[in-house]
Amino acid sequence: KAGVTQTPRYLIKTRGQQVTLSCSPISGHRSVSWYQQTPGQGLQFLFEYFSETQRNKGNFPGRFSGRQFSNSRSEMNVSTLELGDSALYLCASSLEAGGPLGSQYFGPGTRLLVL
Amino acid sequence: AQTVTQSQPEMSVQEAETVTLSCTYDTSESDYYLFWYKQPPSRQMILVIRQEAYKQQNATENRFSVNFQKAAKSFSLKISDSQLGDAAMYFCAYRSEDYGGSQGNLIFGKGTKLSVKP
Repeated sequence: KAGVTQTPRYLIKTRGQQVTLSCSPISGHRSVSWYQQTPGQGLQFLFEYFSETQRNKGNFPGRFSGRQFSNSRSEMNVSTLELGDSALYLCASSLEAGGPLGSQYFGPGTRLLVL
Repeated sequence: AQTVTQSQPEMSVQEAETVTLSCTYDTSESDYYLFWYKQPPSRQMILVIRQEAYKQQNATENRFSVNFQKAAKSFSLKISDSQLGDAAMYFCAYRSEDYGGSQGNLIFGKGTKLSVKP
């Protein structure tokens, strides 16, 4: 079974631009979560989607948004990019949103550099 | 709020030896899950092992095992017969047992960088 895929893998943007990242979960997985990883802050939770509904959201500004489609694929969008948004963005999928089937499996990440 | 602490920023082990990575957490919940993830230089996060808080038996996956001490809120990872491919960042993570609720996200520690010497 194919793992979690994320596109693009690398991205360079300038301040003020917006960006959309895509995540395709493992087949059959209905929950998708997004995390931001930076050297200073470590791994921080962005949001979680299950059956096209946002279940949970981390402490990030409104410039960060996401959605999930009926096929469980998810996108996250960052508008008005700032230098501090440079990070590795990781997507994870799980069969269910919690319980014993809630173990999260990660994709390879999208490395975003904001200049 | 729950927190996860990894007090060893870096560790080193000789190939074929055993190493233990430490993790402590703070929570007022009684039901939760604990995980160890491995992140090699490729940056791909790999799930190593999972422990359910309601299980007293420590989880084991091949050369990887945990020592789960619920009362002490401690969750260490033991790697036996260390291999060069084990070199990576290791993250301890906590997740609430909130099935159907809204607290299913992972809370990570800062990580421990493990080096394996040939």
